[in-house]
Amino acid sequence: DTEVTQTPKHLVMGMTNKKSLKCEQHMGHRAMYWYKQKAKKPPELMFVYSYEKLSINESVPSRFSPECPNSSLLNLHLHALQPEDSALYLCASSQDRGQFANTGELFFGEGSRLTVL
Amino acid sequence: AQTVTQSQPEMSVQEAETVTLSCTYDTSESDYYLFWYKQPPSRQMILVIRQEAYKQQNATENRFSVNFQKAAKSFSLKISDSQLGDAAMYFCAYRRRGNAGGTSYGKLTFGQGTILTVHP
Repeated sequence: DTEVTQTPKHLVMGMTNKKSLKCEQHMGHRAMYWYKQKAKKPPELMFVYSYEKLSINESVPSRFSPECPNSSLLNLHLHALQPEDSALYLCASSQDRGQFANTGELFFGEGSRLTVL
Repeated sequence: AQTVTQSQPEMSVQEAETVTLSCTYDTSESDYYLFWYKQPPSRQMILVIRQEAYKQQNATENRFSVNFQKAAKSFSLKISDSQLGDAAMYFCAYRRRGNAGGTSYGKLTFGQGTILTVHP
């Protein structure tokens, strides 16, 4: 299984709603990531979890709240979002164990397309 | 800080022809990975090819090959026998390699991307 699975694929929410994005991987990867991507732009890193602990927060507004319940799951809780938060949200994972056996690559999910009205 | 530059916002190629996408990067590290990722309009980011900096031999994957010039910090992607399915946005990316204990792998730094159009 070399997949990163994201749900939902599409989400429309109002500015007062609370919703969550979910991500799952069963590759035994120890690092998981959330990225935000606008059209025709590269992904922007939001959060990194390493061994289930938050290791990087790229100064993301508190209306985005990540959670890593276990080594296979990653959530992104959304609350009081703004229309400019509309984007494709990508989850990724990487092995990040050892050095020479590690390919270094990130595996990406298909993304969740978020529209904030 | 590491930077990755893709100087070609858009490229086009005829089906069955060859195209080369350019990428340069800047780093003070000596041990790192370089990647080319492809993102079709269906949106999933897929790894095309990977190069480890300590390897002098250029990576190849079927129709895809790279020209890795470490001293010049250049990492171009050549697509041979282009197919309609190669149409996508291509991102060059850099990542510092971690230590033997598996920690301190760097963040993945992307270039701005190149949109490749393939004409039938």
